[in-house]
Amino acid sequence: KAGVTQTPRYLIKTRGQQVTLSCSPISGHRSVSWYQQTPGQGLQFLFEYFSETQRNKGNFPGRFSGRQFSNSRSEMNVSTLELGDSALYLCASAATSSYNEQFFGPGTRLTVL
Amino acid sequence: GENVEQHPSTLSVQEGDSAVIKCTYSDSASNYFPWYKQELGKGPQLIIDIRSNVGEKKDQRIAVTLNKTAKHFSLHITETQPEDSAVYFCAAPEYNNNDMRFGAGTRLTVKP
Repeated sequence: KAGVTQTPRYLIKTRGQQVTLSCSPISGHRSVSWYQQTPGQGLQFLFEYFSETQRNKGNFPGRFSGRQFSNSRSEMNVSTLELGDSALYLCASAATSSYNEQFFGPGTRLTVL
Repeated sequence: GENVEQHPSTLSVQEGDSAVIKCTYSDSASNYFPWYKQELGKGPQLIIDIRSNVGEKKDQRIAVTLNKTAKHFSLHITETQPEDSAVYFCAAPEYNNNDMRFGAGTRLTVKP
């Protein structure tokens, strides 16, 4: 069974630009959650999608958004990038809920210059 | 909201020794407690989890114990090996905000 895949793995952007990251969950999983990981703040929850609907949202500004497609694949978008957005963005898939077993992808390393 | 605290932040042990990492949580409604291992350049990997209806769960060299009264849970690794070296995270759900809260992580180093 293929694991969670994320593309791209690395990304370099400049301040003010926008970026879209992609996540393909494990086949059959309907819940996709996104997390931001930084040395200072650790792992922080961004949002969770289930059946194309945002079910939960963390404490991040509106510049961070996401969506989920009918095949459960998900994208997250960050607009008007700031230096502080530099982080590892992780996607996790679960069969039904982030409150059950979650499986993480390798992450996308975003660097904002 | 849920506050998950994890200790210690770094842990160094000799190969073959045991390692224990502890976490406390604040939301008494929390009922699912996973542990993740993250190796350099990889995403976190679920290694073991426990639900609030049991006090202990074992999987080979790894065990997790849960004390719901005291609101803490611990990861125990026995007979440590160099490949156990990684950062370990605990987590607990925050039901008010509907998200998972993670501990700050423990960097475990197993010296051969």
